[in-house]
Amino acid sequence: KNEVEQSPQNLTAQEGEFITINCSYSVGISALHWLQQHPGGGIVSLFMLSSGKKKHGRLIATINIQEKHSSLHITASHPRDSAVYICAVREGGAQKLVFGQGTRLTINP
Amino acid sequence: DAGITQSPRHKVTETGTPVTLRCHQTENHRYMYWYRQDPGHGLRLIHYSYGVKDTDKGEVSDGYSVSRSKTEDFLLTLESATSSQTSVYFCAISESRADALEAFFGQGTRLTVV
Repeated sequence: KNEVEQSPQNLTAQEGEFITINCSYSVGISALHWLQQHPGGGIVSLFMLSSGKKKHGRLIATINIQEKHSSLHITASHPRDSAVYICAVREGGAQKLVFGQGTRLTINP
Repeated sequence: DAGITQSPRHKVTETGTPVTLRCHQTENHRYMYWYRQDPGHGLRLIHYSYGVKDTDKGEVSDGYSVSRSKTEDFLLTLESATSSQTSVYFCAISESRADALEAFFGQGTRLTVV
């Protein structure tokens, strides 16, 4: 079992739908990150969270430390949001980074 | 975008040959990382560097070596490539280990070992 599990692995939705991607982890962490990987392969950082909630444009990320769970939400989804979204955690103390397998999101027009 | 360039972007090589991938940054960041990305796995750390000539192993370091003779360059070498090293390799940089998740990634190198 991976230390970081994402669900779903694949998600297809229509333009405008509200999207939720989930990340669960089994280790104690000091921070969690959401990354976006475009079809061309480039990876960009979206959020880093240690508690609560962050919002950037149509993207919202939340984390519940007690439940070891984070969600990434996309409001009013658009085809340009199509990408692989990756959850990564930094284990507290060990400074080790562990990545989830990613969620492939496809938004159809 | 952070100034980070990987070369080559694509390479096909034969089993048993040595291969070197280059990561070049213009941000003067202290930390540099090499990851591999494979289907069914998340990004996995191969090696990282915390300064010139200072490197350490990641979780999948077997079969790989690295060198950092200048702040801006981090080289990943496969001494004798194997088919299991067919993968997409990403370089990343960050200002400090503490904010390693605030890293900037290169575009990736797709390596095929035949």
